[in-house]
Amino acid sequence: EPEVTQTPSHQVTQMGQEVILRCVPISNHLYFYWYRQILGQKVEFLVSFYNNEISEKSEIFDDQFSVERPDGSNFTLKIRSTKLEDSAMYFCASSFDRLGNTIYFGEGSWLTVV
Amino acid sequence: DAKTTQPNSMESNEEEPVHLPCNHSTISGTDYIHWYRQLPSQGPEYVIHGLTSNVNNRMASLAIAEDRKSSTLILHRATLRDAAVYYCILDSNYQLIWGAGTKLIIKP
Repeated sequence: EPEVTQTPSHQVTQMGQEVILRCVPISNHLYFYWYRQILGQKVEFLVSFYNNEISEKSEIFDDQFSVERPDGSNFTLKIRSTKLEDSAMYFCASSFDRLGNTIYFGEGSWLTVV
Repeated sequence: DAKTTQPNSMESNEEEPVHLPCNHSTISGTDYIHWYRQLPSQGPEYVIHGLTSNVNNRMASLAIAEDRKSSTLILHRATLRDAAVYYCILDSNYQLIWGAGTKLIIKP
């Protein structure tokens, strides 16, 4: 079964450093997402991306965050200057269509900011 | 934001059916009801979703109340591998709004 893959699985970074989390969505999917989950807390929506632009974003997704689809397969989340509170599991997801469609999640990238 | 309310945890015996309830009284007419589950240290896994009618798939059944203000996820025969946190989520304004979920404990 096709799956969403994410790299790295775990990254430790120093506060203030830039981090790029990478994702390869399912190949025929058109909608891409990033979610995050702080340890012990609920999953939170960050951003959705369609047709090479952001379609929705949450309040969490401030100027420190950006997303990009640099080629036909990768979808990246960049955090420009990491803060301690950015430590979380970041999930990439994709779907073929939007409303009412199944969203497939990757296994996550665990980011630890020290 | 459309919100869901679920019990914090539930226990069930192995090989018995499990009914996981969810209240979503603020649901709007176009909000889909999704269920995902998350095993420890894994990404969320799709279980089932629906809009108005009851739905069945190989994993579970989804029973949606006539007024759509509540729904129930039914696992017909729980196994130990079904132990996870189950999230009832409204697909609202093109975002999945997650609650705290129900931790399902399966007793052998």
